[in-house]
Amino acid sequence: EDQVTQSPEALRLQEGESSSLNCSYTVSGLRGLFWYRQDPGKGPEFLFTLYSAGEEKEKERLKATLTKKESFLHITAPKPEDSATYLCAVETNAGKSTFGDGTTLTVKP
Amino acid sequence: NAGVTQTPKFQVLKTGQSMTLQCAQDMNHNSMYWYRQDPGMGLRLIYYSASEGTTDKGEVPNGYNVSRLNKREFSLRLESAAPSQTSVYFCASTRDRGNYGYTFGSGTRLTVV
Repeated sequence: EDQVTQSPEALRLQEGESSSLNCSYTVSGLRGLFWYRQDPGKGPEFLFTLYSAGEEKEKERLKATLTKKESFLHITAPKPEDSATYLCAVETNAGKSTFGDGTTLTVKP
Repeated sequence: NAGVTQTPKFQVLKTGQSMTLQCAQDMNHNSMYWYRQDPGMGLRLIYYSASEGTTDKGEVPNGYNVSRLNKREFSLRLESAAPSQTSVYFCASTRDRGNYGYTFGSGTRLTVV
C-alpha cells in the first residue's frame, strides 16, 4: 500500500530561523513527488515537482530535495507570510496519487 | 485568469437530500479531479476524469457520482447525503497527469445535518 508520511505535524519558527519539513514515502513506482502550500480556507497551491533522487528545486526561500525514500522542504530565513500548511503528494507510474496529512508551519515575527 | 472555479462555497444539507457541486476550469486542462479533505485524513480522491469522456473511481467513491460534461466542467453529485459526507470538497485539474502539479479550486465546505 502506498504511504506518505509528513513530519512534524506542526512547526513553529521565529522569523529568520531556518528549518526543514520531511516527507517520507513508500510507493510502488514513483512517477513524481509534489509539494503544495495551503493557506486556511483555500485550496492547495502547487509549488514543486521532483522526479528522481538527487533532484532539487528552488523558489524564493523554499528548496525541495528528493531521495529514494523521502523529500525535504527546506525553508531558509522564513518570514511570517510563509506560515501555511505544506502538503506532500506522490504519484505512481500506475497513475495513483496519495497526499500526506501536511505540516502546519507558523512563523512568528 | 480564473483557474478552477467551484460553486457553491458553502452548503448545509439535511440527511437524505441531494446536491451537485460544480467545477469549471479555463486552462484547457485534460484531467480533472474531486477530492475531499477531512482533519487528520488528508486529501482523498473521490473520482477523477483523465480526459473528456472518461471517469474513474478514486479512493472513496461510495455515495458519489460524477459527470464530465465537457472539457471544462466536472460535477460531483451526492444522491442522498449522509453526515459522514460532511467535509471540504476540492476540485482540481492538470494538463498532464503525473508531470504537472494540480491547480485546485477554493473548495466547497459541506455540512450534512
